[in-house]
Parts: sequence; structure tokens; C-alpha cells
Amino acid sequence: AQTVTQSQPEMSVQEAETVTLSCTYDTSESDYYLFWYKQPPSRQMILVIRQEAYKQQNATENRFSVNFQKAAKSFSLKISDSQLGDAAMYFCAYRRGSSGDKLTFGTGTRLAVRP
Amino acid sequence: SAVISQKPSRDICQRGTSLTIQCQVDSQVTMMFWYRQQPGQSLTLIATANQGSEATYESGFVIDKFPISRPNLTFSTLTVSNMSPEDSSIYLCSVEKWPDTQYFGPGTRLTVL
Repeated sequence: AQTVTQSQPEMSVQEAETVTLSCTYDTSESDYYLFWYKQPPSRQMILVIRQEAYKQQNATENRFSVNFQKAAKSFSLKISDSQLGDAAMYFCAYRRGSSGDKLTFGTGTRLAVRP
Repeated sequence: SAVISQKPSRDICQRGTSLTIQCQVDSQVTMMFWYRQQPGQSLTLIATANQGSEATYESGFVIDKFPISRPNLTFSTLTVSNMSPEDSSIYLCSVEKWPDTQYFGPGTRLTVL
């Protein structure tokens, strides 16, 4: 079974600084996707970034980027120029390559942004 | 992406009663998913709902407790039956859209007294 591990229950960053959230996963599959979702207090799950396992290039979305290390099964999220609105729970998630398969989530990292 | 709505957004219910949660998406989708998020926890899949077929339940979840309907390609309901305080959670529906990404509704916060 696939597992996703987020070893940092809480993180804190100064506004405008950079922070990295860690995620590791375990799978025997070769075709899969990885995601970072953000859940602010409103509880809406918001997609931050996605990565296809077959792509060597790390995904980026504006201030958000990932460091995808396939051999190490590591998928960290870097947030640059942190803003107060980035404060939220961040969940790492894994999905097998088959369409319609479920997401397996990590336990989440709560990010606080200090003004 | 997708625009997804859920009703109700929150509810407080008495134990032993049932609540039906609705999920509406703005475009036709094949797969809809129902997740549960217990207080302070991560998300766990309850079941996958395909239009025109029976929902597929994850281990630990049964149809008698969480019946699901999927009458068309834009709508689904999840019923939480014979509720107990342990059912107090956030219930979220999601849909899969190109490219192989799930998008979530705003969630329903359920409190069972």
C-alpha cells in the first residue's frame, strides 16, 4: 500500500522569507502523480501544485515550487516570498497513474506566517 | 478546474438521525469522490461514485452507514446514517478533471451531539 509521510506537524516562517515543507512517500508503482494541497481555516482544499512522476523537471507555480527526488521518494514544497495568506494546513498527496484512483494524503503540516 | 458546491455547509445533528450531503459540480465528470476529515486529521476516502454504477467503498466504510447516490454526471449525495458523535467530521466531495487532478468542494462540517 502507498503511504505518504509529512514529518513536520508545524512550521513557521517570517513574511517575505522562504520555507520548505517536506514529504516522503512509499510506492512500488512507476506511474503516479504527487500533489500539494492547501487547506486554510475555511477548510476548502485548494490545489497548490502537481507533479507527474515521469517528468524530471520540477513543477513550479508562481511562488510555489517542488523538489522532486524520485529515487529518494521525496517531494518537498518550497514557498518563496511567504505571504500572510499562505498560512494554512498543507497536505501532500499521492495518486497512482490510473485515472479515477484515490488520493492518499499525508498527515499535514500547519504553516504559520509571522508578520 | 471545477466549481463545486456542497450543501449544507455545516449542520448540528442529534445522534441516531441521518444527514444527506449534496455535491454539485459545474460540468460533467465521470468520477466523484467522498472523503472524511476527522477533527485535526487528514483526509480519508469513503467511496468513489461513478454515474450509473454502485459506489465503491474503502475498507472500513459500508454502504448501510454511508449510502451514496449518483443520479447524473454533475451531482452526488452522501448520507451519514444513524449518526453518533464519532461521525463528527468534515465531509468533502471531489471530482477528477483533466489533467488527472482532483478538485474539492468547500466541505460540510458535521457535528453530532
